[in-house]
Amino acid sequence: GAGVSQSPSNKVTEKGKDVELRCDPISGHTALYWYRQSLGQGLEFLIYFQGNSAPDKSGLPSDRFSAERTGGSVSTLTIQRTQQEDSAVYLCASSLRSPGQGANYGYTFGSGTRLTVV
Amino acid sequence: EDKVVQSPLSLVVHEGDTVTLNCSYEVTNFRSLLWYKQEKKAPTFLFMLTSSGIEKKSGRLSSILDKKELFSILNITATQTGDSAVYLCAVVRGSQGNLIFGKGTKLSVKP
Repeated sequence: GAGVSQSPSNKVTEKGKDVELRCDPISGHTALYWYRQSLGQGLEFLIYFQGNSAPDKSGLPSDRFSAERTGGSVSTLTIQRTQQEDSAVYLCASSLRSPGQGANYGYTFGSGTRLTVV
Repeated sequence: EDKVVQSPLSLVVHEGDTVTLNCSYEVTNFRSLLWYKQEKKAPTFLFMLTSSGIEKKSGRLSSILDKKELFSILNITATQTGDSAVYLCAVVRGSQGNLIFGKGTKLSVKP
């Protein structure tokens, strides 16, 4: 697509429920990143995909968080048994390639999913 | 621990003023530094800086990087109300290209 698309744009869920957040990157972008932005905080790295593999999951805050990417394209971030502290804006970014694979041409962000856990 | 620190955290100015936003960093395996403007949710790209001392310009915005002193500045001249936003500084780290973000500077431009 023309840009990075995320869905849903807003999600309100009850504590303890599972949620899935979707990211559709720019076509042909091999690198995909998930970030979380909590109120008053900077963007926090969660996970990095190169193609379908996730060489760096170090930012996932707990084992309730998981993510996958299929076909080198769409990625899904799943949060199980949501807690109130999971409330945040979840942003996805894609890049043509990661710096280790050649010149880096920057990152395009999606509009994010605002998750509210009540 | 890697960190990016932005200052000030917030700034209120009047239209026509010139502002300077600061970003200092301590990041292992530095690749480049990025500036973004965030108005709603999606940060929009402003500049990518890789080399010291080379000023990047786009209209009323300009930015420069000092890799010796580990900082960057973003200048906005003749500010307009449409410049009101949070300005984010991020450092690209390592071959994977993870971004380490500062907390941002919230700029408010009053008419």
